[in-house]
Amino acid sequence: GAGVSQSPSNKVTEKGKDVELRCDPISGHTALYWYRQSLGQGLEFLIYFQGNSAPDKSGLPSDRFSAERTGGSVSTLTIQRTQQEDSAVYLCASSLGLAGVNEQFFGPGTRLTVL
Amino acid sequence: AQTVTQSQPEMSVQEAETVTLSCTYDTSESNYYLFWYKQPPSRQMILVIRQEAYKQQNATENRFSVNFQKAAKSFSLKISDSQLGDTAMYFCAFRYGGATNKLIFGTGTLLAVQP
Repeated sequence: GAGVSQSPSNKVTEKGKDVELRCDPISGHTALYWYRQSLGQGLEFLIYFQGNSAPDKSGLPSDRFSAERTGGSVSTLTIQRTQQEDSAVYLCASSLGLAGVNEQFFGPGTRLTVL
Repeated sequence: AQTVTQSQPEMSVQEAETVTLSCTYDTSESNYYLFWYKQPPSRQMILVIRQEAYKQQNATENRFSVNFQKAAKSFSLKISDSQLGDTAMYFCAFRYGGATNKLIFGTGTLLAVQP
């Protein structure tokens, strides 16, 4: 079956603009995660959803970042008034649930460049 | 707070030889999971191997195996018979076994397999 998909693959924007990044999880996966990978860094957790609720949004770096998930499926990560330090690869992952080992399957990411 | 440390930013190995990537972590929890992910230039994160902390036996997946030393909080990855396709960034990751399902990643080791 299809894996996790993300769009766009690459996004170049100007400082101060808003951007929306989209994630389509694997069908039937109830949990969805957003991570950020800055140049030369590991992945940094941003937020996760169980269904449409976000029990842990502790990783969102500022109030310019928000995310939502609708219908227990697609999620959108929105960055308002983008700054150059927001440039990174944004990765989305999904898992069947939360219990047990519960492998997270990752999408190919969106590379965001803020000029 | 849990932390994951990968002290080898880059490593190189000859094709068909064996290489070991190091990972240490810090946690006060007893119930957790450990993972190694591979990220090739395509950016797609791929799960290589996983280990449940309650299992004493080291996990093995074909040419990949781990040396899990719970008391020392060490989780190294051994790749046997290295292949050119193993060239990638490798990330060690920790997940608490409780309700918070986020992965905590190390900064990665860039492995180059030389022909």
